[in-house]
Amino acid sequence: DAGITQSPRHKVTETGTPVTLRCHQTENHRYMYWYRQDPGHGLRLIHYSYGVKDTDKGEVSDGYSVSRSKTEDFLLTLESATSSQTSVYFCAISGLNGDGEAFFGQGTRLTVV
Amino acid sequence: ELKVEQNPLFLSMQEGKNYTIYCNYSTTSDRLYWYRQDPGKSLESLFVLLSNGAVKQEGRLMASLDTKARLSTLHITAAVHDLSATYFCAVDPSTGNQFYFGTGTSLTVIP
Repeated sequence: DAGITQSPRHKVTETGTPVTLRCHQTENHRYMYWYRQDPGHGLRLIHYSYGVKDTDKGEVSDGYSVSRSKTEDFLLTLESATSSQTSVYFCAISGLNGDGEAFFGQGTRLTVV
Repeated sequence: ELKVEQNPLFLSMQEGKNYTIYCNYSTTSDRLYWYRQDPGKSLESLFVLLSNGAVKQEGRLMASLDTKARLSTLHITAAVHDLSATYFCAVDPSTGNQFYFGTGTSLTVIP
């Protein structure tokens, strides 16, 4: 698992409620990422971080925000969940190997009803 | 907009046969990665390709990279049922340390 833990693993929430997903790493990788996976789309980058308090948008960032106050934690927040945000969310880390190889967490299945 | 295209999207093949999955991308990149995903599971890193002409092999899988053609291939030799999974390629553009994924190739190996 490359020392990555996502929580929660499963969540059902109602439209309009805020939701925060957590990614925790024990590997001291510099880069952390949030992806969503949907059928027919592969994995799409939501946000990423290149250091503490350094984050940037990915290709599908609308409706999401992130924070990284410590090297080991990267939080993804849906401020007001919508049904279109029902997805499987993966956290990934990279940077320690020098070759850019990324390692993925186990995923969080989020359902917005 | 960066595009990463894989084909085929779905592949059903018999055990013992050979086949190739293609990954085309639209931006300059010297880094390409292949991942495997089993149903309901996370992604597992298979290959890291870091330069033009790079070739990596592991068991029945071999990956190659042609940066000039912006093409990577994943070749399957003498397929076995255990190779059934979805395979993704991912590109790290020259801007560095972002990964853009293809839509995946769902491989089913029929005994």
